[in-house]
Amino acid sequence: DAMVIQNPRYQVTQFGKPVTLSCSQTLNHNVMYWYQQKSSQAPKLLFHYYDKDFNNEADTPDNFQSRRPNTSFCFLDIRSPGLGDAAMYLCATSRVGGPDTQYFGPGTRLTVL
Amino acid sequence: GQQLNQSPQSMFIQEGEDVSMNCTSSSIFNTWLWYKQDPGEGPVLLIALYKAGELTSNGRLTAQFGITRKDSFLNISASIPSDVGIYFCAGTTSGTYKYIFGTGTRLKVLA
Repeated sequence: DAMVIQNPRYQVTQFGKPVTLSCSQTLNHNVMYWYQQKSSQAPKLLFHYYDKDFNNEADTPDNFQSRRPNTSFCFLDIRSPGLGDAAMYLCATSRVGGPDTQYFGPGTRLTVL
Repeated sequence: GQQLNQSPQSMFIQEGEDVSMNCTSSSIFNTWLWYKQDPGEGPVLLIALYKAGELTSNGRLTAQFGITRKDSFLNISASIPSDVGIYFCAGTTSGTYKYIFGTGTRLKVLA
């Protein structure tokens, strides 16, 4: 089945130690998104890629970076995680030119010690 | 960032009861999506709506795209324990590629 895959599902890092979360998709969608979600709140958009075009939200901290080396993969880099960055990180995809629909991966739960 | 008003925030219901929740916006949307999220998982798409007045069903779930294009409704009939979770609405305007999320409705079903 076509899907959005996130690895790892659970990630533990130390305060200040860089961490990378990964997302891959088999849907061949041209837009990929990274969201941060805390304690059952609504997902908060960090940034998205439309093909190779990167779009950062104005309130996304510089500590968060992203890479999209090809259509299928997208990475979230947290350069110096703080305790406040502990959250669920959700990757999502959508296809421009088709019906507006967005599909989410299962998420990566990040713990910062 | 912008969020949609979703109500109720939470609800406790008895198994077998019907559930209604809604989402309202100050802006017009072209698309409304409804998701369910289980603890520790990503949101799962339940229903997508693309036209004002559209009524779409998915099993026991029925959602409607409000005629003003500023609201949407989700109904769950004959609730069962596995309906427990958080339901999110999301809206978008064509060409923006960005989805605005509701604040969520937490549903608990008492057996």
